[in-house]
Amino acid sequence: KNQVEQSPQSLIILEGKNCTLQCNYTVSPFSNLRWYKQDTGRGPVSLTIMTFSENTKSNGRYTATLDADTKQSSLHITASQLSDSASYICVVSDRGSTLGRLYFGRGTQLTVWP
Amino acid sequence: EADIYQTPRYLVIGTGKKITLECSQTMGHDKMYWYQQDPGMELHLIHYSYGVNSTEKGDLSSESTVSRIRTEHFPLTLESARPSHTSQYLCASSGRAGGLQETQYFGPGTRLLVL
Repeated sequence: KNQVEQSPQSLIILEGKNCTLQCNYTVSPFSNLRWYKQDTGRGPVSLTIMTFSENTKSNGRYTATLDADTKQSSLHITASQLSDSASYICVVSDRGSTLGRLYFGRGTQLTVWP
Repeated sequence: EADIYQTPRYLVIGTGKKITLECSQTMGHDKMYWYQQDPGMELHLIHYSYGVNSTEKGDLSSESTVSRIRTEHFPLTLESARPSHTSQYLCASSGRAGGLQETQYFGPGTRLLVL
């Protein structure tokens, strides 16, 4: 069964600290993996996208890594800010259809305290 | 910032009412999607469209219907709302670039409460 599991479910950190969020998936065949940020009451916004051949990709203070062999990804946030408080969703796409079926994780709820 | 809009943002209605959730995008995207998301849970695809006059049901069974008469507009209709329909509904679109790296852009969502 194709699944995307994220950990931790929730995380609280102090402003300025770093953190790492995890994503494990069983989706096969694999096309790409995206990390989205979803602010409360808003729609998800894409942060990074990685294909099979990419190991790391950065977007400002966000750095995503991908190990396609172990089917694991991480999202590292550096020098956290209050505005980083949001849900971070890992989304994996397969190659099994024209639509490029997306599998969503439940997200990690990150809270940054001052 | 994605140019995809949803109205209303919040809706509280009584059981049995007919409602239409609006979604429009100005990016010229051919593909559009509706997702349902409950708090702390993953997004579930309920409808999608490849283009005008094309609509398909998604993975999650839904009593809603959709239409795609214009490229930019993809409304979702519930003929008779029930409390079990209470949820957040997210609309998304993706562009003509196609290929493996096509990204979906999401609207702000509609939070629906059926009493």
